[in-house]
Amino acid sequence: GAVVSQHPSWVICKSGTSVKIECRSLDFQATTMFWYRQFPKQSLMLMATSNEGSKATYEQGVEKDKFLINHASLTLSTLTVTSAHPEDSSFYICSAGDRGLTEAFFGQGTRLTVV
Amino acid sequence: RKEVEQDPGPFNVPEGATVAFNCTYSNSASQSFFWYRQDCRKEPKLLMSVYSSGNEDGRFTAQLNRASQYISLLIRDSKLSDSATYLCVVTRPDSNYQLIWGAGTKLIIKP
Repeated sequence: GAVVSQHPSWVICKSGTSVKIECRSLDFQATTMFWYRQFPKQSLMLMATSNEGSKATYEQGVEKDKFLINHASLTLSTLTVTSAHPEDSSFYICSAGDRGLTEAFFGQGTRLTVV
Repeated sequence: RKEVEQDPGPFNVPEGATVAFNCTYSNSASQSFFWYRQDCRKEPKLLMSVYSSGNEDGRFTAQLNRASQYISLLIRDSKLSDSATYLCVVTRPDSNYQLIWGAGTKLIIKP
């Protein structure tokens, strides 16, 4: 299957700092990328959908000014958690899709811990 | 009501046994259905798609009941390596890529 690379796989940061997570599609052009968040023992929750070259669409309850998403190219999308707080600690995961694919492919996920 | 509901488990099952999970979804217009497997602290991996006619892949059988809006997964001759969380996933009716996830059913296979 197609490969999606997500970095970093884990990060610990101090409260108030910003963290950038990258999601790259390595062997296909990802016209659409999804960012999910998963708290322990809970389901993956879609945060936002981004299409290359346009603004991301955020799900209800997700602050767009706090979770900045950039999808400037067909192979790279970034999620920046600004002014992180301990309650932002979670597992963040991206998935990428393309019109020619029948499924979305996931990055490895990023475990964010804010202390 | 959640869009996708699953029994969280855990299901503790002896090795070699058969185990079945069910999942219900609320939007009757949903088009595509999947079972994913997620190991602890890892990303989900697609286990199998679920078709109206039912489909089988080795020890795994998935079925869809549109009338009752539920999906099932049957695992036969369970192995220790089957221990994981199994996620039921449904696509939003207007998008084949936007996935609505169940919270998962945890399966523990015991020797």
